[in-house]
Amino acid sequence: DTAVSQTPKYLVTQMGNDKSIKCEQNLGHDTMYWYKQDSKKFLKIMFSYNNKELIINETVPNRFSPKSPDKAHLNLHINSLELGDSAVYFCASSQQDSGTQYFGPGTRLLVL
Amino acid sequence: DAKTTQPPSMDCAEGRAANLPCNHSTISGNEYVYWYRQIHSQGPQYIIHGLKNNETNEMASLIITEDRKSSTLILPHATLRDTAVYYCIVRVAGGTSYGKLTFGQGTILTVHP
Repeated sequence: DTAVSQTPKYLVTQMGNDKSIKCEQNLGHDTMYWYKQDSKKFLKIMFSYNNKELIINETVPNRFSPKSPDKAHLNLHINSLELGDSAVYFCASSQQDSGTQYFGPGTRLLVL
Repeated sequence: DAKTTQPPSMDCAEGRAANLPCNHSTISGNEYVYWYRQIHSQGPQYIIHGLKNNETNEMASLIITEDRKSSTLILPHATLRDTAVYYCIVRVAGGTSYGKLTFGQGTILTVHP
């Protein structure tokens, strides 16, 4: 029973391509997040959604567009991929504004 | 959110207690202390959190000093599987930082046989 799942686990693509990462949680939470962990292992929040509404956008380039079709899903679409987008992307969820968050296994994105 | 300071790395012998310190001298009265860990190649995992009282759960204990300027995460009987990066995070609920966790560099804990 995976609480927070992400697909795909690995993603290798060329610069300029468009790609999507999907996230699903079965915990019944109403808040979901995207975090990015770069090559130096620094983990930083990108977006948070509560009940499908965008709450936080941490000055992420508009090439990144999150979409939340329902409370259990938060997808991340990235346009015109750049080398600097290579990172591990983690999805997480919580109940409302809780610091107790449950993270997915991550999606390792490599842009060539 | 208040800034935290942690040692970059620590070692611990298997079976012994691991005591991971964290300084948060600028913490304000409504900020909680959270601990997460990240085992290699996995997503961060919530461990424990507290406001001012000491807390214990099945994973660890959290000791917060009376002035709340520092805290210690205690893993009572460390195992090799506890080798991970441990993050101490201070955050306040609500406001414009809705749900936001600010991760620092953390402490790399290595548990030796």
